[in-house]
Amino acid sequence: EVQLLESGGGLVQPGGSLRLSCAASGFTFSNYAMSWVRQAPGKGLEWVSAISGSGGSTYYADSVKGRFTISRDNSKNTLYLQMNSLRAEDTAVYYCVDEREQWLEYTPYYYMDVWGKGTTVTVSS
Amino acid sequence: DIQMTQSPSTLSASVGDRVTITCRASQSISSCLAWYQQKPGKAPKLLIYKASSLESGVPSRFSGSGSGTEFTLTISSLQPDDFATYYCQQYNTYPKTFGQGTKVEIK
Repeated sequence: EVQLLESGGGLVQPGGSLRLSCAASGFTFSNYAMSWVRQAPGKGLEWVSAISGSGGSTYYADSVKGRFTISRDNSKNTLYLQMNSLRAEDTAVYYCVDEREQWLEYTPYYYMDVWGKGTTVTVSS
Repeated sequence: DIQMTQSPSTLSASVGDRVTITCRASQSISSCLAWYQQKPGKAPKLLIYKASSLESGVPSRFSGSGSGTEFTLTISSLQPDDFATYYCQQYNTYPKTFGQGTKVEIK
């Protein structure tokens, strides 16, 4: 059974930093792309960042580009999100999600499959 | 960025009703669309991927259809466990974008 367990959330002041971790189990971690998705209080879902299985390709939402860095350690089955220069609008529950592959006309596309329970990040003074 | 627009934003229905939620993309996304269900305080759960493929373990009363820019999620006979918020999401192009959500409430 696929399990994803996020950690590292907490209260941080504006301008501060935080590193989120996501421990994965139940599947061959290195074979799968992964994403972070967040949800601000009372709001909808916002995709934040994604990384390929090898870690060689990364993608970011414009709202976090230049401030957040996604990475992974396949030897530890762990996904990370380094968050710098945090702002009040980064306050949200952050979910770690594994991605599954769909082939369409010889091109792979990746949809989000299993979600972790989330970790809460609060940016406030 | 591709904009995803869901309608309605809120839907009031009774147990046993047939429910349809629509999702429109601002440009063609082929069949790269997923539907998720989220209950309060819980993580989202995948229901449908590739526009119409039912995720393993999801009840057959859920179905998806569409391609290009117009998609629908249908619940054939609403059950008490189905009252939740539903999101569509395109994964054709980065950034991956979600619809704003449709809350299905008890009538």
